[in-house]
Amino acid sequence: EAQVTQNPRYLITVTGKKLTVTCSQNMNHEYMSWYRQDPGLGLRQIYYSMNVEVTDKGDVPEGYKVSRKEKRNFPLILESPSPNQTSLYFCASSFPQPNSPLHFGNGTRLTVT
Amino acid sequence: GNSVTQMEGPVTLSEEAFLTINCTYTATGYPSLFWYVQYPGEGLQLLLKATKADDKGSNKGFEATYRKETTSFHLEKGSVQVSDSAVYFCALRDYGGSQGNLIFGKGTKLSVKP
Repeated sequence: EAQVTQNPRYLITVTGKKLTVTCSQNMNHEYMSWYRQDPGLGLRQIYYSMNVEVTDKGDVPEGYKVSRKEKRNFPLILESPSPNQTSLYFCASSFPQPNSPLHFGNGTRLTVT
Repeated sequence: GNSVTQMEGPVTLSEEAFLTINCTYTATGYPSLFWYVQYPGEGLQLLLKATKADDKGSNKGFEATYRKETTSFHLEKGSVQVSDSAVYFCALRDYGGSQGNLIFGKGTKLSVKP
């Protein structure tokens, strides 16, 4: 089944403790992206990747890192999480053409205390 | 640059009412347009799309027509059901620009009452 898989679904952590949210897709998509969703702010893009070893900042990259060493994986790294990074995170992937829709994972709800 | 503006919610309707959610866009090129839906507790999923002017996308009773002259892609459904309660996002995608070419509106929350 074609899908984008994020793990974990829920995560509670403390300020400053490094964490990684994994994202994997099995559709051979070149494009992958991370979003955060907060009430009243819609979806905001954190980072995106047009292909392996090619990543770029979105609207809200501060406090996050990503890597794209393989086509299927695009982990999101929070080196020193802070409470303002408490949010719902989505990974998405697609082919790069404009007529290609994004496929989304089911989300990771992160709470930083 | 490219942008998407959609009507703010929340929108509350009774079952079987007619739905319109407005979406307008600004783009320098010839973008593809999308509507995504997010049901409670889930990720976004594609509802419909249109890739060129005058195309009509449709799915699950929802429709939207790509109007280049008015730069609009309004979502419509003739008779909504309680199960349509969700957040709806309008989006465009084009070559060039930042964000990997994909721009989302802020979302419109729809609640349908029985």
